[in-house]
This record gives sequence, structure tokens and C-alpha cells, in this order.
Amino acid sequence: EPEVTQTPSHQVTQMGQEVILRCVPISNHLYFYWYRQILGQKVEFLVSFYNNEISEKSEIFDDQFSVERPDGSNFTLKIRSTKLEDSAMYFCAYRSASGRQETQYFGPGTRLLVL
Amino acid sequence: AQSVTQPDIHITVSEGASLELRCNYSYGATPYLFWYVQSPGQGLQLLLKYFSGDTLVQGIKGFEAEFKRSQSSFNLRKPSVHWSDAAEYFCAVGGNAGNMLTFGGGTRLMVKP
Repeated sequence: EPEVTQTPSHQVTQMGQEVILRCVPISNHLYFYWYRQILGQKVEFLVSFYNNEISEKSEIFDDQFSVERPDGSNFTLKIRSTKLEDSAMYFCAYRSASGRQETQYFGPGTRLLVL
Repeated sequence: AQSVTQPDIHITVSEGASLELRCNYSYGATPYLFWYVQSPGQGLQLLLKYFSGDTLVQGIKGFEAEFKRSQSSFNLRKPSVHWSDAAEYFCAVGGNAGNMLTFGGGTRLMVKP
């Protein structure tokens, strides 16, 4: 069983609306990641987050995206003004160790559909 | 920049037959290599990983993979495929400072009865 849950499991939104995707860790992990998978395509890295800061982000992660961990527990991905091309499966991942030889484990994903 | 290539988009094998899924990577330093499996509508489940040491690694569900540095490959194998192995398989490489994973395009496995 994954040690993170993601909510919602599915979300349908209108173009231009804001969405917030949540990742809820069960254990006290420090390293978090967001990836996305557009239907039929490869999984793509969006952003990594450690100690309440972004540590790395991809070209996809533009100003429309933001991440935070507001209450020290939930890890959120916000898309400020959704576009049709944001429709994808969004995966939260966490890292299980503090060293470099870590393994990333993935949550079940949130399927986002932008109409 | 790191990259992963999975040359086979689709593979169909008969139940009980052996399986090999190919993965080639490009990475400037010692790579950390992973195989994940994704069943339809599901998340990504880790099958196995390679960090260092023995180049033949064992994973869950009877899978194994062999790291070959000279060929920049990390092929996934299973001696006898079960119908429940039908899924999409992703190879990934990581290891840079941010430890982001770069995924291949995936190989969709179908299993014939």
C-alpha cells in the first residue's frame, strides 16, 4: 500500500479555473515530488519539494503551477488557471530515505480533466 | 541530460512464456535505475531498483533486471509470464542532485491465454 493518498481521485474542471490537488502522507516523509502523465504519454517530472522549498522544477512547471505544504502535512499542487492541455494524471511521490540512494514511491494519482 | 528509451511500445506474449522488456538509458554518471508497473487506471508500483553492486537485481512478482553498463541497458525479465502481468511497464533513471526521475515511454504488455 502506498504511504500517500491523493485527493481527489478524479476532478473535472472548466478551462481557466483553479484546481488544487492534494497529497496526504501517512508517514512523516520529507521529500515530495509531483509528476504528470498525459493520456498515452510518458510520466513527466514537474517539481520536487524538500523542507518546505522547491528543490528542482521542470520546464513544465511554469507560473501557473505552485506547490506548498501549508500545514506540515498535506502537500498540494495548485494550477492557477487550467488549460485543456493540463488534462492528465497527476502523481504525488515521496522519497523513503534521506540519502541519495532513495526510492520514490508513488501515490494512486489524481485524474484531472479540463473541459 | 538524462533520458530513457524503451524501444518496444507494445509486446504480446503467451501465458507461460518468457519475457524481456528493453530499456536503454543515457546518463552522465552512475545511474540509479528503476522499473515501475502501471495497471490500467492505477498508479505506479515499484518492481525493482538498481543502485550499485550486483548487476542482476530481483524484484517483486518474479521479475528481475540486469544492469549492463557497457550497453547502457537495464532490461526487465520474467521467466514465465502470468495473465495478471498484463500492464504498462516503465523504466526510469534518476540520480542527479534533485533526484528527479526520467521515465521512458513505457511498454504495454499483453498476455495471450
